[in-house]
Amino acid sequence: DADVTQTPRNRITKTGKRIMLECSQTKGHDRMYWYRQDPGLGLRLIYYSFDVKDINKGEISDGYSVSRQAQAKFSLSLESAIPNQTALYFCATSAGGRDYEQYFGPGTRLTVT
Amino acid sequence: RKEVEQDPGPFNVPEGATVAFNCTYSNSASQSFFWYRQDCRKEPKLLMSVYSSGNEDGRFTAQLNRASQYISLLIRDSKLSDSATYLCVVSGYSTLTFGKGTMLLVSP
Repeated sequence: DADVTQTPRNRITKTGKRIMLECSQTKGHDRMYWYRQDPGLGLRLIYYSFDVKDINKGEISDGYSVSRQAQAKFSLSLESAIPNQTALYFCATSAGGRDYEQYFGPGTRLTVT
Repeated sequence: RKEVEQDPGPFNVPEGATVAFNCTYSNSASQSFFWYRQDCRKEPKLLMSVYSSGNEDGRFTAQLNRASQYISLLIRDSKLSDSATYLCVVSGYSTLTFGKGTMLLVSP
């Protein structure tokens, strides 16, 4: 079984809808991250969390919110989806002190129409 | 200026070729440096760390020049399986900044 899982893997939704992307990990890592990847723009950090009570904004947090429900679960929400949020979303984890070695989930391809 | 800039690519090379990727970073306070690999439609994975003294892992060699804020990755004897996008990554305070990546296509 994969160490970092993401659900759903693919999602098509309409403008204005609320959507949640979920991430779970079995690596026992404290730190979790959400990124989006767009062609020509690379990976950009949306939010990150160093433990259940610690949530931090990344480079592009506007329009997104997160919830760290447990050490192993970190969810990303789009309260009112818009077309320019169409992207590939990755969740990642790392162990404290080894933040450079991040383990990524398989990604969620989100399309907002 | 982008924080991490890479050669735009794609690089098309035959099997057995040697290929070099370059990367520059803008934040002189950056602490650590890495190369990640991303296969088509897959998640990125750590390839190797980059040290000022150089770091070699089989056919892969990574170099860092802090004075020039320059990072390189050399791949010798390219294999078909090396075809992927290579991401230059810089670490600041507990977060990573990724370059846009350079695509490598190795052909028979």
